[in-house]
Amino acid sequence: EAAVTQSPRSKVAVTGGKVTLSCHQTNNHDYMYWYRQDTGHGLRLIHYSYVADSTEKGDIPDGYKASRPSQENFSLILELASLSQTAVYFCASSDWGLGVYEQYFGPGTRLTVL
Amino acid sequence: GDSVTQTEGPVTLSEGTSLTVNCSYETKQYPTLFWYVQYPGEGPQLLFKVPKANEKGSNRGFEATYNKEATSFHLQKASVQESDSAVYYCALSDTGYQNFYFGKGTSLTVIP
Repeated sequence: EAAVTQSPRSKVAVTGGKVTLSCHQTNNHDYMYWYRQDTGHGLRLIHYSYVADSTEKGDIPDGYKASRPSQENFSLILELASLSQTAVYFCASSDWGLGVYEQYFGPGTRLTVL
Repeated sequence: GDSVTQTEGPVTLSEGTSLTVNCSYETKQYPTLFWYVQYPGEGPQLLFKVPKANEKGSNRGFEATYNKEATSFHLQKASVQESDSAVYYCALSDTGYQNFYFGKGTSLTVIP
C-alpha cells in the first residue's frame, strides 16, 4: 500500500529559528507536495515538485523553501520561523500519466512557533 | 483561476439523518472531481473520484454526481453514523496536470 511518512510529527520552534520538515514516500511517485492546514483555510499549497532536484512554488510560498534531493524525499524549510507559520503541515505524493491521479497524504506535522 | 467552494461548517447531525455537503467549482478545463475525508489526527484520504461529467462516484455509503452544467459535485449520504465524524474536502484537478485545488473543508460531527 502507498505510504507517505513525515517527521517530526510535532515540533515546537522559536521565532527566528530554522525549521526543517521531512517527508518520505515509498510509492515511487513523481509528484510531491507540501500543504499547510489552518482552520478556516483548509489545505493550501506551499511548494510542489515533479522531479528530483527541482521544486515549484505553490499558492503561498513566501517564507518557505523546499528541497527534493531524491524521488523519495521532499523537505520543507522555514529559514526564519514566524508566529504566523504555526499550523499543521501535510506532505502528499501522486503519480503522473495520461489520467488524473489522486494524492496520498502523510499523517501531518503539527508545528508551533513561539 | 480554478477554485472550489463548499458548505461552510461546522455541521452537526444526529445519527441516522441525511447529509448533504454542497460543492461548486470553477475551471476552464476538464477536471476530475474528488471528495477526500480527514479523520482526527490523520491526513486526508481519498473517499472517491469522478473523472467524467454526468457520472456518479460512491464509497462507504457516500455519493456525488459530477454535474458539469451546474458545476457542482455535492456529497450526500442517506444515513450518517458517528464514525462519519470527520472533515470533508471537495477538490478538483485538471486533466493533464497534477495541481489540485481544495475547498476549505466541511467539519461534520455526528451525535449518537
